[in-house]
Amino acid sequence: GAVVSQHPSRVICKSGTSVKIECRSLDFQATTMFWYRQFPKQSLMLMATSNEGSKATYEQGVEKDKFLINHASLTLSTLTVTSAHPEDSSFYICSAPRLAGHTDTQYFGPGTRLTVL
Amino acid sequence: DQQVKQNSPSLSVQEGRISILNCDYTNSMFDYFLWYKKYPAEGPTFLISISSIKDKNEDGRFTVFLNKSAKHLSLHIVPSQPGDSAVYFCAARSYTDKLIFGTGTRLQVFP
Repeated sequence: GAVVSQHPSRVICKSGTSVKIECRSLDFQATTMFWYRQFPKQSLMLMATSNEGSKATYEQGVEKDKFLINHASLTLSTLTVTSAHPEDSSFYICSAPRLAGHTDTQYFGPGTRLTVL
Repeated sequence: DQQVKQNSPSLSVQEGRISILNCDYTNSMFDYFLWYKKYPAEGPTFLISISSIKDKNEDGRFTVFLNKSAKHLSLHIVPSQPGDSAVYFCAARSYTDKLIFGTGTRLQVFP
């Protein structure tokens, strides 16, 4: 069964609004979670690393004020797309390593399809 | 700057035959490589991995080969089955534990 869940699976919003996406590890604790974005026919691009109890680490070119990440607990990380615009429409996926430092145990959520009108 | 490349966007193979998916990388500091399988509207699922100190890893029908000198890895699936039809991503791990993904190859296995 799924070990990482995401909610919602699909969201449509108006331009200028904010959208929150949740990522949960279901049966393990994750001090680190990763957020990816995938555009059609393109690769998964790492956006940021979410760290429980501390600030997220953002990849180059990713606006931290636009993509707010909060890792409130050992099982929950949230990504908020603020003032969303049509170019933010994408497939957002989170992942969490089941064992800290073991990338091969990284489990991915089912993803969230965001459409900004 | 695409550090991990999958130059074939799609591959079509007959059931029972071998599927070979290729991946090239540019960063010699990558120490671990992984293959993921992804269905539409789902997150990737881990398939098989290989450490940079090895040149081959096998798991059932799946074998990954690594050629460090050529900075090339490949995934062999034999025999291919219709259920193998999906998008396959190779990924490389950096020293920071981040995964760098390739652009994916869509595999279609037909009867």
